[in-house]
Amino acid sequence: SQQGEEDPQALSIQEGENATMNCSYKTSINNLQWYRQNSGRGLVHLILIRSNEREKHSGRLRVTLDTSKKSSSLLITASRAADTASYFCATVLRDDKIIFGKGTRLHILP
Amino acid sequence: NAGVMQNPRHLVRRRGQEARLRCSPMKGHSHVYWYRQLPEEGLKFMVYLQKENIIDESGMPKERFSAEFPKEGPSILRIQQVVRGDSAAYFCASSPPDQAASGANVLTFGAGSRLTVL
Repeated sequence: SQQGEEDPQALSIQEGENATMNCSYKTSINNLQWYRQNSGRGLVHLILIRSNEREKHSGRLRVTLDTSKKSSSLLITASRAADTASYFCATVLRDDKIIFGKGTRLHILP
Repeated sequence: NAGVMQNPRHLVRRRGQEARLRCSPMKGHSHVYWYRQLPEEGLKFMVYLQKENIIDESGMPKERFSAEFPKEGPSILRIQQVVRGDSAAYFCASSPPDQAASGANVLTFGAGSRLTVL
């Protein structure tokens, strides 16, 4: 079964707006990561947040982690057309197994 | 640094044939993960390997599927007697040993191998 579940499944916003995606998971984790996938390509790592961290920033990305609720959010500020892609959360379990959610398909409208 | 190399990029097989997918991890990476992705879906974990050792294969079907990562050469995902339901994109990713030891595995992905079973 999937460990992580992103929501929404799909999101369309205007260029320049902020995009927020959420991820919920089921079991204890070492860390949580977000990846991006452009259509038909391999995934690219965006950001990692450890289980003892609550918030992390990288450029236009902001990630939060709430281990009590077993949830994370990814915020992309000032979205651009090039941000159109699928975004996946990945949970790294205690045994180093890495489980991906089903993803959020983000579409930035010009 | 060529990154994670997967081949073939596209593979067409008839039902009952064998499919062999290869993955060369990034230089210096010792851990390989294999995932399967159906269209418009997420990545499903299949197997996690270290050189000459399968660490976790809980996501791999018990029959027809096998994986190896020999001391020399690429990791191989082998699917015997393929069926139409095996049609999917298979992604390989690798991570370095120090990250695995610290629990901060960051994966570098290959471009994937797309298997079509006729």
